[in-house]
Amino acid sequence: AQSVTQLGSHVSVSEGALVLLRCNYSSSVPPYLFWYVQYPNQGLQLLLKYTTGATLVKGINGFEAEFKKSETSFHLTKPSAHMSDAAEYFCAVSEGSGTYKYIFGTGTRLKVLA
Amino acid sequence: NAGVTQTPKFRVLKTGQSMTLLCAQDMNHEYMYWYRQDPGMGLRLIHYSVGEGTTAKGEVPDGYNVSRLKKQNFLLGLESAAPSQTSVYFCASSPGSPGLAANEQFFGPGTRLTVL
Repeated sequence: AQSVTQLGSHVSVSEGALVLLRCNYSSSVPPYLFWYVQYPNQGLQLLLKYTTGATLVKGINGFEAEFKKSETSFHLTKPSAHMSDAAEYFCAVSEGSGTYKYIFGTGTRLKVLA
Repeated sequence: NAGVTQTPKFRVLKTGQSMTLLCAQDMNHEYMYWYRQDPGMGLRLIHYSVGEGTTAKGEVPDGYNVSRLKKQNFLLGLESAAPSQTSVYFCASSPGSPGLAANEQFFGPGTRLTVL
């Protein structure tokens, strides 16, 4: 069965430092991969997604993620953290055609220190 | 476009009471979902629908029922609320299968439900 693992339920970085949020998945078929962000008291919104083709995906707000099939990973990065990046981040995966659902990780709460 | 809206935003129930959460989307999406979010557990799928008049069970359907009589609306019902159903509930919609063209989900703002 599909699963998504996000290492670190809480991550703290200093403002201006690199942000790295980890996501690993298990899949027997090439998946589609998503990162969502949830700001306090709001719903989730899409940051970026991987479909096929280029393995480095750029998203909104300066975030990007790299699909590494050999490592079954889809880590999210941002070169320089901003205070406004403080939020919870969810990695999600869907399998190939015919599926109805997305599998979500348990989330990583990012704290940005001044 | 309003996107995905949820009613109500907050609700407090007593054990045994019933209620209905309403989700509406104005994007003409086929797929709709109900999730619950609990600390440390991420999002868990309660029920979903792949089109008007269809519904199906997700991971945690017990204690909930759903209906999708109109394409734009997806209702989640709690017949007899229990404290274990205290959670934040999110509705989401998608234009089609997530397995086709990596269709993303669009989420509502959530409903915070407390059952005493």
